[in-house]
Amino acid sequence: AQKITQTQPGMFVQEKEAVTLDCTYDTSDQSYGLFWYKQPSSGEMIFLIYQGSYDEQNATEGRYSLNFQKARKSANLVISASQLGDSAMYFCAMREGAGTGRRALTFGSGTRLQVQP
Amino acid sequence: ETGVTQTPRHLVMGMTNKKSLKCEQHLGHNAMYWYKQSAKKPLELMFVYNFKEQTENNSVPSRFSPECPNSSHLFLHLHTLQPEDSALYLCASSQERGSGDEQFFGPGTRLTVL
Repeated sequence: AQKITQTQPGMFVQEKEAVTLDCTYDTSDQSYGLFWYKQPSSGEMIFLIYQGSYDEQNATEGRYSLNFQKARKSANLVISASQLGDSAMYFCAMREGAGTGRRALTFGSGTRLQVQP
Repeated sequence: ETGVTQTPRHLVMGMTNKKSLKCEQHLGHNAMYWYKQSAKKPLELMFVYNFKEQTENNSVPSRFSPECPNSSHLFLHLHTLQPEDSALYLCASSQERGSGDEQFFGPGTRLTVL
């Protein structure tokens, strides 16, 4: 079974509108972390936002917020007031086994977001 | 230089060549990673180094040989690669704090194996 599932291969959004990118995850760990990264065409992965499994409030970073629904195992990224520069691939990732020393991230297949003027 | 740098940015090699990818992080982090990003596949972890010691090897073929001489530098030595090894190779680093330590990525090396 996939650990991270991103069901939207591509999304379109009008400039200045909000958009939600879906992410569901699968883990039996109680302690884990969820990350979103942005990858522009240049290739570099840019960290956007982090949510810990024990965090009671949804994470926010500027125009990015994470809609964390633990019981449903979903961690959707919400981008408010989309800008043309937001056009990129977006990846959801998970780190399991916090406290075990394991450090690797497991990534989803990504969603390509295109912001239209 | 700031952040995580990778050289070369592009590499074309034949199957009999030997080449090396270099990664350097200027962030004072203690963990470094190699990831492979193939077309139409999720990003895959290859290796993890923590304080220069390899802590994870994700069943990577021996034609990929990592080297971590210190916490700031990470190499990936390549030999007798196959065309299916063509991909974007991304290096990352992080500072161990807990589960929330985000990884900072370099720009990647786009490798083409002929």
